[in-house]
Amino acid sequence: GAVVSQHPSWVICKSGTSVKIECRSLDFQATTMFWYRQFPKQSLMLMATSNEGSKATYEQGVEKDKFLINHASLTLSTLTVTSAHPEDSSFYICSALDRGRGTDTQYFGPGTRLTVL
Amino acid sequence: AQTVTQSQPEMSVQEAETVTLSCTYDTSESDYYLFWYKQPPSRQMILVIRQEAYKQQNATENRFSVNFQKAAKSFSLKISDSQLGDAAMYFCAYRSPIYNQGGKLIFGQGTELSVKP
Repeated sequence: GAVVSQHPSWVICKSGTSVKIECRSLDFQATTMFWYRQFPKQSLMLMATSNEGSKATYEQGVEKDKFLINHASLTLSTLTVTSAHPEDSSFYICSALDRGRGTDTQYFGPGTRLTVL
Repeated sequence: AQTVTQSQPEMSVQEAETVTLSCTYDTSESDYYLFWYKQPPSRQMILVIRQEAYKQQNATENRFSVNFQKAAKSFSLKISDSQLGDAAMYFCAYRSPIYNQGGKLIFGQGTELSVKP
């Protein structure tokens, strides 16, 4: 399958600071990427859909000013958690939609564990 | 709106035995896609198998097969000859056609599978 990388794999930051998470599709181009949040023992919650060259589409209840998404190229999307607080601590996962192989399949990054102190 | 339900929070299987994980979904669409993803303790989401709704034949990938019952809106996953490495959280997911909702996945709650040696 296709490969999606995510960086960093884990990050610890102080309350009030901003954190940027990168998601890259390594062997395919992805016009669409997705950002999820996952709490322990729970399912993935879709936060937003990131489209290359246009604004992200946020799911209901997700603060767009807090979770800034930029999809500047066909292989890179970034999620910036602004003014992070302890309640933002979570596991963030990105995925990229591979449309080039005819299967339209989402491939997932390994995730980023964010801890806000 | 589409929904996906996994009614088994936990399942257990003896090594080398067969186990079936259940998934039901609700939709008014006739064209859609169904997936099973595996999330081991590393938390990397791995695509196990996919099924196109227009295909009557059940998908198979080595030891993994599905029982797709379109009329009943059921999509169960059968794991044969279970191995210790199969222990993971398994998520069932639904996706509309790309032209409708852009490839978003709707996940079930997950089933945690343990494999006993």
